[in-house]
Parts: sequence; structure tokens; C-alpha cells
Amino acid sequence: KAGVTQTPRYLIKTRGQQVTLSCSPISGHRSVSWYQQTPGQGLQFLFEYFSETQRNKGNFPGRFSGRQFSNSRSEMNVSTLELGDSALYLCASSLGRNKGNTEAFFGQGTRLTVV
Amino acid sequence: DQQVKQNSPSLSVQEGRISILNCDYTNSMFDYFLWYKKYPAEGPTFLISISSIKDKNEDGRFTVFLNKSAKHLSLHIVPSQPGDSAVYFCAASRRSNDYKLSFGAGTTVTVRA
Repeated sequence: KAGVTQTPRYLIKTRGQQVTLSCSPISGHRSVSWYQQTPGQGLQFLFEYFSETQRNKGNFPGRFSGRQFSNSRSEMNVSTLELGDSALYLCASSLGRNKGNTEAFFGQGTRLTVV
Repeated sequence: DQQVKQNSPSLSVQEGRISILNCDYTNSMFDYFLWYKKYPAEGPTFLISISSIKDKNEDGRFTVFLNKSAKHLSLHIVPSQPGDSAVYFCAASRRSNDYKLSFGAGTTVTVRA
């Protein structure tokens, strides 16, 4: 069973540009969440999608957006990149049920560097 | 607003001894807690979880303890092995809102041979 796949693994962008990251969840998982990891800050929740709908959103500016497709694949977009957006962006998939096991399975992440 | 805190950024332990990682939370609505392990250049991998209706959950060398009144949980690794050297994240969620995990900043564990 394939795990969570994130592409690309590494990305270098210039300030002011925009970027799109992709995440393919585990087959059968309908929930996809995105997290930002920066040194010393742990993982910060960005947003979560379930059945193409955003169900929850973290405290990030509107420059961060996402979407989910009918096959549960998700994309995250960051516009007008700033140096502080340099981070590891992690995608996690889960079944998305409200009860029972709620473990999220993470991809390897996309390392974004803004110069 | 950091609702989950891991106050020890690092921990060094000798191989074969016990590793104890601590985690505190402030949101009393959290009712499900998880520990993840992360190696460099990889995503976090799920280790063990515990529901708020329990105070202990064990899986092999890993045991998680939950003290709801103190809003504190801990992860015990016995015995510690060199492959356990990694960053460990504590996470918490609300069952009714289970798609959002609040993470601590992580504790880097180094197991010395």
C-alpha cells in the first residue's frame, strides 16, 4: 500500500513568486491536512480538506491556500512568497472519521527555500 | 498560542536505559493524544496514541502515560536503542475535530552507545 506522496521534494523560489505543492494521500483516505514545520516551532497546522471541502483552517495569512480534488489529491499554494515562508511543508492523510483511530500519516514533505 | 508544549528541546540517554519525554497541554478540550517520531529528511511517523478515557497505553517498548488533571503526558521508551535517536513530537486533538493536530515543538533524543 503506497504511502503519502508529496512533490516536489525540494524547491527554491524567489521572494514575490508563487508556489504550488502537491500531495497524494494514502488510497482510501479522504482527509488531507497540511502543516508547516520551521526550526523550533514544531508543526503548525495550515488547513484540512475532506471531500474537496476545507473543514478547518489554521492561523496563516490568506497567501496560503489549498484545494482538494475528487480523487482526494490536494494542492497547496503560497502566493507572494516571503523569506519567512522557507520551511518544510508536510502533508498528512487520514480516514477523516470523527470517531475511532485518528492517526494521521505523513508524507516526506517538501522543503521550500525562498531566496 | 502554543497549546501543546514540550519544554525539553533535547534528551541524551545511554543505550539500554529508559528515555522519558514529557508533554504538557493547556486546552482541556483535547481528548486524544499522539506521539510521532521524525528522522531528518523524512515525514513524522506515528508511534503511539492514547485516548483521554485511559491513563496508560503500551505498545512494545513504548508506553504513554496521561495525567488529565495535570494536563500532562509522557512517553517512556524502554530500553532505548540507537535507532530511537530522532525528534519526537507530542500532538493533541479533539475527537470532534480530529482533523486538526496541535503539535509541540519536539524533543530531540540522542541515544548514546
